[in-house]
Amino acid sequence: NAGVMQNPRHLVRRRGQEARLRCSPMKGHSHVYWYRQLPEEGLKFMVYLQKENIIDESGMPKERFSAEFPKEGPSILRIQQVVRGDSAAYFCASSPQSGSFQHFGDGTRLSIL
Amino acid sequence: ELKVEQNPLFLSMQEGKNYTIYCNYSTTSDRLYWYRQDPGKSLESLFVLLSNGAVKQEGRLMASLDTKARLSTLHITAAVHDLSATYFCAVDPSTGTASKLTFGTGTRLQVTL
Repeated sequence: NAGVMQNPRHLVRRRGQEARLRCSPMKGHSHVYWYRQLPEEGLKFMVYLQKENIIDESGMPKERFSAEFPKEGPSILRIQQVVRGDSAAYFCASSPQSGSFQHFGDGTRLSIL
Repeated sequence: ELKVEQNPLFLSMQEGKNYTIYCNYSTTSDRLYWYRQDPGKSLESLFVLLSNGAVKQEGRLMASLDTKARLSTLHITAAVHDLSATYFCAVDPSTGTASKLTFGTGTRLQVTL
């Protein structure tokens, strides 16, 4: 009974490179959420997706960040031309429907050199 | 903009003592969640509170919700060292199909012998 799977667990990038974070939701879940956690802070909502659709991206920075959840395969959070301020833990959560309990993955810890 | 505030931010308590963590939020919501996070780990679901007056208990933890006061409490009874972690409350203010959580700042609990 696999939970929400995120990979990689740790990702190191140099400034200017691209980072791709992957999230496979729990079986039967079609709703995916991405959150960012800076050190010593709570999680901040970034984007909410259903299969092939972005429902709410109000928490996404306007530039360099994008997310997708294709019909087949995992959800991807993509950060282009990373900067030091992008260093954070990025968590993915999934739920079977809107408003139901969100189950979190183990996160991807992104470090920018 | 929805604001979720927790207090205290840091709590050091002795084993065997009781204490309460408070979570205030600024807008109407009927869905409030409590999560636990160990250092470097993901979020573990503790409770979901779905209506005014809801009370849930699991072991030494008990959570309650007062939607009129926009207040939830997490009460710890006879604390043990294993409860040391950071506790987050999160509010889902959505009434339609959109669903995103706004997290509090977290309460870092340290239980000492």
